[in-house]
Amino acid sequence: GENVEQHPSTLSVQEGDSAVIKCTYSDSASNYFPWYKQELGKGPQLIIDIRSNVGEKKDQRIAVTLNKTAKHFSLHITETQPEDSAVYFCAASLNYQLIWGAGTKLIIKP
Amino acid sequence: DTAVSQTPKYLVTQMGNDKSIKCEQNLGHDTMYWYKQDSKKFLKIMFSYNNKELIINETVPNRFSPKSPDKAHLNLHINSLELGDSAVYFCASSPGLTKSQETQYFGPGTRLLVL
Repeated sequence: GENVEQHPSTLSVQEGDSAVIKCTYSDSASNYFPWYKQELGKGPQLIIDIRSNVGEKKDQRIAVTLNKTAKHFSLHITETQPEDSAVYFCAASLNYQLIWGAGTKLIIKP
Repeated sequence: DTAVSQTPKYLVTQMGNDKSIKCEQNLGHDTMYWYKQDSKKFLKIMFSYNNKELIINETVPNRFSPKSPDKAHLNLHINSLELGDSAVYFCASSPGLTKSQETQYFGPGTRLLVL
């Protein structure tokens, strides 16, 4: 079955710098890759997603890239701000079920 | 006008008790899910229903029993609670099971503590 690995488990960056979180998946049939942000005490919220027919997608300071050949996708956050501090999850969709990464705790240092 | 709501938000109970968590979505979605999130933040799918029909039933103790009275509601009943059941339980919904309908929307979670 599908397996999603996410790295790093914790990422600490200076405010204003960029943050990159990477995920790899195992099943080439996966075709949908969402990213979720979970703030303390809240449920995960979708922040951006990408389908397998697209290589990159941007939404203001957030971008996702997908390399189907290498079976990996990444979340890029530029000009990080204190409110970006949260746990971020990647996922891959296979047979309409989401397979989740283990999460990355992003810490923004002032 | 909360999209996915859960009750209660907090649940503290003794070992051996039976408890229920309720979930409702007003998004008109066909598919609903229950997840368990442990202290390490890992999200584990437990169950999924599509139009009131069980479609995902992961390896979960049979003390956990989901019920979907209609496609807007998915409740979770837990019998004989154990210490290891302490976790945050999330309900989620998605438009359906076809392509472009997989995006899941989460509720705020129910924090269960078993003493």
